Amino acid sequence: KNEVEQSPQNLTAQEGEFITINCSYSVGISALHWLQQHPGGGIVSLFMLSSGKKKHGRLIATINIQEKHSSLHITASHPRDSAVYICAVRGSARQLTFGSGTQLTVLP
Amino acid sequence: DGGITQSPKYLFRKEGQNVTLSCEQNLNHDAMYWYRQDPGQGLRLIYYSQIVNDFQKGDIAEGYSVSREKKESFPLTVTSAQKNPTAFYLCASSIDRGPGEQYFGPGTRLTVT
Repeated sequence: KNEVEQSPQNLTAQEGEFITINCSYSVGISALHWLQQHPGGGIVSLFMLSSGKKKHGRLIATINIQEKHSSLHITASHPRDSAVYICAVRGSARQLTFGSGTQLTVLP
Repeated sequence: DGGITQSPKYLFRKEGQNVTLSCEQNLNHDAMYWYRQDPGQGLRLIYYSQIVNDFQKGDIAEGYSVSREKKESFPLTVTSAQKNPTAFYLCASSIDRGPGEQYFGPGTRLTVT
């Protein structure tokens, strides 16, 4: 079974800062997802990637398959980015295995 | 608007009672999932269904039951056999069980006292 580790668990930043959240996994995967969970609990899918890099607005996700590692970057962070960011991986069993999440707080 | 609805948002029950959580989707997705989220832990899969009238146990199915009589509906029953039922429950769906993304509902917070 894949183990998914996220770091840091908690992150506080000032508005405008560049933010990086990391995700490492133990077994080869077919895809990696980055999700965002807002205080109300609903989850939104941000990215799904299996190689390289994807960008959407101020969000950038990268993955290094050889190193079994992915990063989520937020440029010019804003208080509305405050949320829990969750990494999830899909392995050969086709189930998703989730990390425990990174709580991000961006202060104005 | 297409999406997934879960009701109610908050649910309170006494210990020993069964309770059913609703999940409905109008995305025409074949696959549906139930996850449980506890503080400090990742989401864990309870049950999933790839198609109507079929469902499979996930990692933590004990104390739960599901049905999939209609494509758009996948209700979860938390039975009295579930030892620690208080949690946040999330329903999700995807086009199929392939590598595509899953769409999540808003969740139901169940408190059992």
